[in-house]
Amino acid sequence: GAGVSQTPSNKVTEKGKYVELRCDPISGHTALYWYRQSLGQGPEFLIYFQGTGAADDSGLPNDRFFAVRPEGSVSTLKIQRTERGDSAVYLCASSSSRENEQFFGPGTRLTVL
Amino acid sequence: KQEVTQIPAALSVPEGENLVLNCSFTDSAIYNLQWFRQDPGKGLTSLLLIQSSQREQTSGRLNASLDKSSGRSTLYIAASQPGDSATYLCAVRTQGGSEKLVFGKGTKLTVNP
Repeated sequence: GAGVSQTPSNKVTEKGKYVELRCDPISGHTALYWYRQSLGQGPEFLIYFQGTGAADDSGLPNDRFFAVRPEGSVSTLKIQRTERGDSAVYLCASSSSRENEQFFGPGTRLTVL
Repeated sequence: KQEVTQIPAALSVPEGENLVLNCSFTDSAIYNLQWFRQDPGKGLTSLLLIQSSQREQTSGRLNASLDKSSGRSTLYIAASQPGDSATYLCAVRTQGGSEKLVFGKGTKLTVNP
């Protein structure tokens, strides 16, 4: 694929529901990142994977948020018991190495009613 | 804790003008700095990456400089065009093992025909 892809592009859910957001990184990129962007703000870091393992999950706001990357490629961000405050654009990025630039996907806009 | 500030928050210029966007960061121990462009409702497009050992990077009409000791970077856009209208984000990766990017809130640029 040409770039990072994310699905769905938009997700509307009700408070208390469970959602999964998917990220397909650029082929061969070992590093994968999740960020969250609220309106009028810059993206905020959530979690970083190097291969299959979460190397840094310090940005996850609480234990309702969880992410996996079981085969070192596709990643899924999972949010349990969604709250209205979780509404934001969730961005995924990948990189070929620690030194190189991060390439971002188009994001998933999550709306919790 | 690294903090990134971008000034101005918004900028409106006539077509053809040269302009400078500013980015400052509080912790000068950075690994690299990246400038992004974000169109409304879209993801981030990487424009330029400057490693900590570099002073500037150029791509077409864009030139980014880095003064690590003073905690500043500038993005210079020459001969601005209406198609340059977007939000420009600056992000730094701080030394010390963290792979995350810390973003500013961005500068919203409008280039008027």
